[in-house]
Amino acid sequence: AQKVTQAQTEISVVEKEDVTLDCVYETRDTTYYLFWYKQPPSGELVFLIRRNSFDEQNEISGRYSWNFQKSTSSFNFTITASQVVDSAVYFCALNNFNTNAGKSTFGDGTTLTVKP
Amino acid sequence: DVKVTQSSRYLVKRTGEKVFLECVQDMDHENMFWYRQDPGLGLRLIYFSYDVKMKEKGDIPEGYSVSREKKERFSLILESASTNQTSMYLCASSSETAKNIQYFGAGTRLSVL
Repeated sequence: AQKVTQAQTEISVVEKEDVTLDCVYETRDTTYYLFWYKQPPSGELVFLIRRNSFDEQNEISGRYSWNFQKSTSSFNFTITASQVVDSAVYFCALNNFNTNAGKSTFGDGTTLTVKP
Repeated sequence: DVKVTQSSRYLVKRTGEKVFLECVQDMDHENMFWYRQDPGLGLRLIYFSYDVKMKEKGDIPEGYSVSREKKERFSLILESASTNQTSMYLCASSSETAKNIQYFGAGTRLSVL
């Protein structure tokens, strides 16, 4: 069985603060993908990043960065200098290579509110 | 750009009605999914399909059925809608060749009165 835990249900920050969203996963498979998705107030989930289990290199994209650590089964997401437009629900997800139909297990999501 | 289109953004139905939620994707993805999203419960998988006419139950299939007669279309059916099926319904599609990234529709907010 696999599981994704996003322990932070809600986070509130003031604009320009840095914020880290935690994601911890459980899987028995050695090969898997990890994802982050963003769901803004409009409702449509959009893909942010995908990592495979072979690649622990951290990634930075503008104000976003991701820290993948297999040793702690974590895939954390940091937003630097947060902006009001970052307010959304963020989901972490896990997909095993051999899973039927590419089915992913999603965490329950973290609601981020960035106040001006 | 991948486009996943859900037929309705908002829907209001009466208890006992048969409800069809339609989802169409334009990227020739083999996999399609139906989720429901409720506050505090995250995304829960109802059904998924990995090919035409193929379907598998997800985590909460009770009270729902699905149909996939064409590759681009995946329908969610509520045979007899009940008030506890009031929710946001999200459709998604994916493909192994597209790295199993799921592409989502805008969602259908269904209210059953």
